[in-house]
Order: sequence, then C-alpha cells, then structure tokens
Amino acid sequence: QKEVEQNSGPLSVPEGAIASLNCTYSDRGSQSFFWYRQYSGKSPELIMFIYSNGDKEDGRFTAQLNKASQYVSLLIRDSQPSDSATYLCAVIRRMNYGGSQGNLIFGKGTKLSVKP
Amino acid sequence: EAQVTQNPRYLITVTGKKLTVTCSQNMNHEYMSWYRQDPGLGLRQIYYSMNVEVTDKGDVPEGYKVSRKEKRNFPLILESPSPNQTSLYFCASREPQGARSTEAFFGQGTRLTVV
Repeated sequence: QKEVEQNSGPLSVPEGAIASLNCTYSDRGSQSFFWYRQYSGKSPELIMFIYSNGDKEDGRFTAQLNKASQYVSLLIRDSQPSDSATYLCAVIRRMNYGGSQGNLIFGKGTKLSVKP
Repeated sequence: EAQVTQNPRYLITVTGKKLTVTCSQNMNHEYMSWYRQDPGLGLRQIYYSMNVEVTDKGDVPEGYKVSRKEKRNFPLILESPSPNQTSLYFCASREPQGARSTEAFFGQGTRLTVV
C-alpha cells in the first residue's frame, strides 16, 4: 500500500457544487494531516490542516479525519472556477527512531476542474 | 515577510555539468527539505535536514547531495546531472512541533532541464 494515496482525477464539478477530495494513508500512527492546493507550475500552498478526528471548517473548506479508517478528506463548498487546481494530501511520516519529528510526505494529488 | 527563496527559477544545463540550486529561509526554521515533482509521480522527497549539520536521505536521494552549514541555507547539489533529473524542484522549511507539526513553507520552485 502506498503511504499516501489519492485518486488522481481529474475530478470535474460544476460551479457552485460541492467538491469532495479523498485521501488514505498507511501509517496508523500519523497524527498530522494537511491539504495543499497547487496551481500548475506554482508552489503548493496550505489550505487546511487537521490533527483530531472529526471535521474542521474554514470558510468554504472542510477537512474530515477518520483515524480508525485512516482516511482524510477535503470538501469544498460552492466551488468556484478559481478552485481549479491540484490538491495534495500530506501526512507526517514518523522517524524510524521513534522521535517526535517527522517528514512531510505527499500523495500524488487530485486534479480538480470546476466548470462555469 | 516570511519566505523561502530558491535560485535559480529556471535552469537549462548539459549532462555532467555540476550545478547547485540554492535555498534560503528567513523564519529560523530548523527543518528544511528538498522535493522533486514529476508528472504522475507527485512530490517526492530528496533530502531533508533536521538542523545544522544534520541531513538525511529522503525517498529519491540518488544523484543529489545537500549541505546544511547554516540554519537558513540548504543548497541542493547535482554533481553530475543526467536527463532523468529534469524536473521541478521545491525547497521547503517548517518548524516541527512534536507529532503535531506545522505548516511547511515552499520556495517558488526551480525548473531544471538537463540535456
């Protein structure tokens, strides 16, 4: 199983709809989860982070975490054409020596297209 | 302004000609890392550094070197570039806070072409 898995898409939704992006991860001990947005040729930019089970809302974005299922998702409400981008799921990979620090590991990303 | 600065932004070079991509951050972050991004493969980590003089391999370290002599700088060195190292490269820094780590800040990217 890949460490962080995402459906590559493209995911196409009409303007105003809810876009749902999903991610699964393999390390059951992971505790930090991030969603980044990346426009073509640009740097990733942080959209949301979540540490605890449940939902976390920020404006039109909601991150959902289910540690039992090793699943994290991102919902985008009232999708806009400007939301068209690749969305990267990332988790912290714990160090082998058991330290508290870790590496930020990314999925391959899901390309979202919002049609006007 | 908090930022991570990479140079150059674009580089075309020939096989075997040593090159260095610089990365500098002004946030006093301990942790820095390099990623490469290729179509269909996503962001893959090349090397990372937990602090000055502490570096370690990521998932795709072959053909690369790094150094961390100062906290703010983390250059990526390609001793003998090959065409398969043609890619988009990103430097990132963050301040780890135990298991609940913080946001990573990314540089603008360096698009490298090796011919």
